[in-house]
Amino acid sequence: GAVVSQHPSWVICKSGTSVKIECRSLDFQATTMFWYRQFPKQSLMLMATSNEGSKATYEQGVEKDKFLINHASLTLSTLTVTSAHPEDSSFYICSARALAGGPRTDTQYFGPGTRLTVL
Amino acid sequence: QKEVEQNSGPLSVPEGAIASLNCTYSDRGSQSFFWYRQYSGKSPELIMFIYSNGDKEDGRFTAQLNKASQYVSLLIRDSQPSDSATYLCAVDPPGGYQKVTFGTGTKLQVIP
Repeated sequence: GAVVSQHPSWVICKSGTSVKIECRSLDFQATTMFWYRQFPKQSLMLMATSNEGSKATYEQGVEKDKFLINHASLTLSTLTVTSAHPEDSSFYICSARALAGGPRTDTQYFGPGTRLTVL
Repeated sequence: QKEVEQNSGPLSVPEGAIASLNCTYSDRGSQSFFWYRQYSGKSPELIMFIYSNGDKEDGRFTAQLNKASQYVSLLIRDSQPSDSATYLCAVDPPGGYQKVTFGTGTKLQVIP
């Protein structure tokens, strides 16, 4: 069964509003979580990496003030798209991994994704 | 040179045939290798992992690893239309437990 959940699975919002996406690890402690974005027919693009209790590390070209990431606990990370615009419409996918010594350390496990449409 | 390279395809195979998907990686110290499958509009799902040189079989899937050649492959026997998807090769950096590096994926089309 699923080991990582995301909520909501889809969201439609008006331009200028903010949207929060939640990512939860269901049966393990996710010391590291990753946020990806994928446009239609394109490859996964890593946006940022976050470790529990630390500030996220953003990939080059990703605006940290626009895409706010909070990894406050070992099972929850959130991505907030602030002042969303139509060009932010995309498929946002989180992924989680545990550190050595416990379950789910072998690789990254993906959530089901959130489809964001900004009108 | 990209860290993980895959042919983008599409790779078209008839139903029942063997599909062969290939991947090369640049970091010789990489230790763990993964294959993910991504259906259109869905997120990636892990289907195979391999750590040691040689073959690893799981049902209709066989992963092959050759560290000397820095080459990983995935064979799908008796291909079915439901196998049509994009297959992502992923590599753990030396030391593991970090961000996995993904290839751009190979699109597989199984023709009925």
